Amino acid sequence: QLQLQESGSGLVRPSQTLSLTCAVSGDSINSDGHSWTWIRQPPGKGLEWIGYISQTGNTYYNPSLKSRVTISVDRSKNQFSLNLNSVTAADTAVYYCAKALNWVGFDPWGQGTLVTVSS
Amino acid sequence: DIRMTQSPSSLSASVGDRITITCRASQGISIYLAWYQQRPGKVPKLLISAASTLQSGVPSRFSGSGSGTDFTLTISSLQPEDVATYYCQRYNSAPLTFGGGTKVEIK
Repeated sequence: QLQLQESGSGLVRPSQTLSLTCAVSGDSINSDGHSWTWIRQPPGKGLEWIGYISQTGNTYYNPSLKSRVTISVDRSKNQFSLNLNSVTAADTAVYYCAKALNWVGFDPWGQGTLVTVSS
Repeated sequence: DIRMTQSPSSLSASVGDRITITCRASQGISIYLAWYQQRPGKVPKLLISAASTLQSGVPSRFSGSGSGTDFTLTISSLQPEDVATYYCQRYNSAPLTFGGGTKVEIK
């Protein structure tokens, strides 16, 4: 059964870089033609799509975050990562990773990790 | 960019009621729409893909319909375990926008 688990720093200083990793278990990250994605949810608010990386390594980002976001994949470690630079308090959120199934949607999701931006 | 607008933003209904949530896209997206359920404090769960395809294990009281710009999620008989926020999402092309969510409560 495919499972995803986010990890990374739960506290980031303003203007620094938020870095998270999503470990994929139960299947190879290379096993099919689907993509891998990040989503976030500020406390008490709705879901915001951050971006995804395709099987071929192409990346697509939310235009509102594009200048600050990088998503990458480490196939040897069966994981993918999110970097968000120049963070502010507005980037405080629960960050989820998920598998983006072509023409279906996001499934499964990781458990999510809360990242707080504060000095 | 295509905007996804859900209505209502919240609703309260009785157990056994039929409820409908609407999702409207600012441009046509064919049937490339998913619905997610997020119970309080939990991870979002994919309920429906391709506007109307129920995911495995999802109770049959849930149904989805629509194409183009107008979509609906219907719960035919509301149950206590359906208390959640429901989100629509388009996935025809990036950015893969979510709707603002509809919070469903029991009266």
